[in-house]
Amino acid sequence: QKEVEQDPGPLSVPEGAIVSLNCTYSNSAFQYFMWYRQYSRKGPELLMYTYSSGNKEDGRFTAQVDKSSKYISLFIRDSQPSDSATYLCAMSSYSSASKIIFGSGTRLSIRP
Amino acid sequence: DGGITQSPKYLFRKEGQNVTLSCEQNLNHDAMYWYRQDPGQGLRLIYYSQIVNDFQKGDIAEGYSVSREKKESFPLTVTSAQKNPTAFYLCASSSGGMASNEQYFGPGTRLTVT
Repeated sequence: QKEVEQDPGPLSVPEGAIVSLNCTYSNSAFQYFMWYRQYSRKGPELLMYTYSSGNKEDGRFTAQVDKSSKYISLFIRDSQPSDSATYLCAMSSYSSASKIIFGSGTRLSIRP
Repeated sequence: DGGITQSPKYLFRKEGQNVTLSCEQNLNHDAMYWYRQDPGQGLRLIYYSQIVNDFQKGDIAEGYSVSREKKESFPLTVTSAQKNPTAFYLCASSSGGMASNEQYFGPGTRLTVT
């Protein structure tokens, strides 16, 4: 079993829809949770960063962490065609902050 | 303009040749990392360095080597011992310490070995 599981998609939604992207994990030591956005043939870009449980909002993006269920989510409101990309979840523990474990990524397409 | 640069963007090599990928950052970050990305897989850590003249193996270090002689630079050599070198290689940097999980990535180098 992988430490971090992420549905690869592809996920296709119409412009303006709310998008929900999710990851599950098995290591209860994970404390730091990140979401990266990666456009085709580019490097990943850090989108959201949260520590421990709870929600964090930044513009149209909301990151949610449920440590009891070992489940994290990224919500995108009012989705735009420019949001079309691969979204990678990532996480690390307090004792090994340098060693980030990445999900395999979900490919998202927003239809105009 | 602060950031991480990787060169070249595309690299082609014949099997059996060593090749060195460049990574430079002007963010004044202490820590630097090399990852490999294959289709349908997450990023896998090859090597990382938290300080100049020191580096540690990641999860898939076999067939790779690195050096960290300057804070700004962390070149990766893909040796002929790497059995499956064709991949997208990503360099990242972070402030280090407890901020190590806020990593910022370069644009990547796509290596093709035939």
